[in-house]
Amino acid sequence: GENVEQHPSTLSVQEGDSAVIKCTYSDSASNYFPWYKQELGKGPQLIIDIRSNVGEKKDQRIAVTLNKTAKHFSLHITETQPEDSAVYFCAATGGKLIFGQGTELSVKP
Amino acid sequence: NAGVTQTPKFQVLKTGQSMTLQCAQDMNHEYMSWYRQDPGMGLRLIHYSVGAGITDQGEVPNGYNVSRSTTEDFPLRLLSAAPSQTSVYFCASSYHVRGSSNTEAFFGQGTRLTVV
Repeated sequence: GENVEQHPSTLSVQEGDSAVIKCTYSDSASNYFPWYKQELGKGPQLIIDIRSNVGEKKDQRIAVTLNKTAKHFSLHITETQPEDSAVYFCAATGGKLIFGQGTELSVKP
Repeated sequence: NAGVTQTPKFQVLKTGQSMTLQCAQDMNHEYMSWYRQDPGMGLRLIHYSVGAGITDQGEVPNGYNVSRSTTEDFPLRLLSAAPSQTSVYFCASSYHVRGSSNTEAFFGQGTRLTVV
């Protein structure tokens, strides 16, 4: 079955810097790669997703890249703000939605 | 439109007790799933369902049962609670295409379960 590895587990950046979170997946049949943000005490919420027929997708300060050959995908947040502080999860699916271990992002003002 | 509703929000059980975590969605989603969240281990899939009457196992199904008699409801049953089942449980729902969860998943607020 699918296995998703996510790095780093924690990430601390200064406000205004960029943050990058990386994930790898194992199942070559996976075709949908969403990213979720979880704030304290809440359920995860989708922030951006990418499908296997696209290499890059951007939404304001957030971008995701996908390398199908290498089976890895990354989340890029530019001009980070304190409200970006949260836990971020990558996921992959070719059927069941399988998540990575999560990255706790801390943006220091 | 309430989205995904989980009850209860908090629960303390004694070892060996049984209980059911409730999950309901009002978006007519066919795909529903249960995850547990533990520190450092992300969200791990327990069971999922692609429609009423159809359920399947996820990554960590042992000790849990599910059923799907309606599109709206997907309860998770702990048969005999163990301390290892102390966790935060999340229910999620989404549309699916050909039995695959490849659209936005909507999560409930979670149930924090402690087994003593």
